[in-house]
Amino acid sequence: SYELTQPPSVSVSPGQTARITCSGDALPKKYAYWYQKKSGQAPVLVIYEDSKRPSGIPERFSGSSSGTMATLTISGAQVDDEGDYYCYSTDGVFGGGTKVTVL
Amino acid sequence: EVQLVESGGGLVQPGGSLRLSCVASGFTFSSYWMSWVRQAPGKGLEWVANIKHDESEKYYVDSVKGRFTIFRDNARDSLFLQMHSLGAEDTAVYYCARAPATYGASSEPYVHFDYWGQGTLVTVSS
Repeated sequence: SYELTQPPSVSVSPGQTARITCSGDALPKKYAYWYQKKSGQAPVLVIYEDSKRPSGIPERFSGSSSGTMATLTISGAQVDDEGDYYCYSTDGVFGGGTKVTVL
Repeated sequence: EVQLVESGGGLVQPGGSLRLSCVASGFTFSSYWMSWVRQAPGKGLEWVANIKHDESEKYYVDSVKGRFTIFRDNARDSLFLQMHSLGAEDTAVYYCARAPATYGASSEPYVHFDYWGQGTLVTVSS
């Protein structure tokens, strides 16, 4: 098994860009997925296969991956984007989560 | 619209058993892998188990192997998780998730989760 490492927290002002990283040795060979989790709500898939955005997810969410690091970018972050974000790879491994604060 | 509705959670004593259920609608249930994912209080997401659409493949996180069984009833569009020998470490919200899968070069399944239910809370305490 392997680990996916995320920063515990990221804080940005409204309208700024938030970048959340996810590092792991398997990422050069496996896709990264990103989930948004708000308290009391079900997780929501915001990025799949490194950089694809599901229908209904705002364009301000984007993803990229290079080598052992995947990155979720929220361009022009809004207060409604606050929550925990988890990266995931297809071996059943989640990152520890990053709490995003927009204020 | 894809919907997943879990039930069966509750308070159970250490060492006890519980069966969780998930009813699916809005898609062809029998064509998809399905999964259970949990989140303990104050902790992150943890994958628990996967099951192939025809039940021919099942996978579990090491911490639940031998104690939990994932199974499904395609005729009733339902997914289940039978849990035995529960301990405090199993206290969590359990989510049912649809799990599209592809296969890698070594025939191992690559699963992710695209739709999730609202979850059901399992509390293990005396």
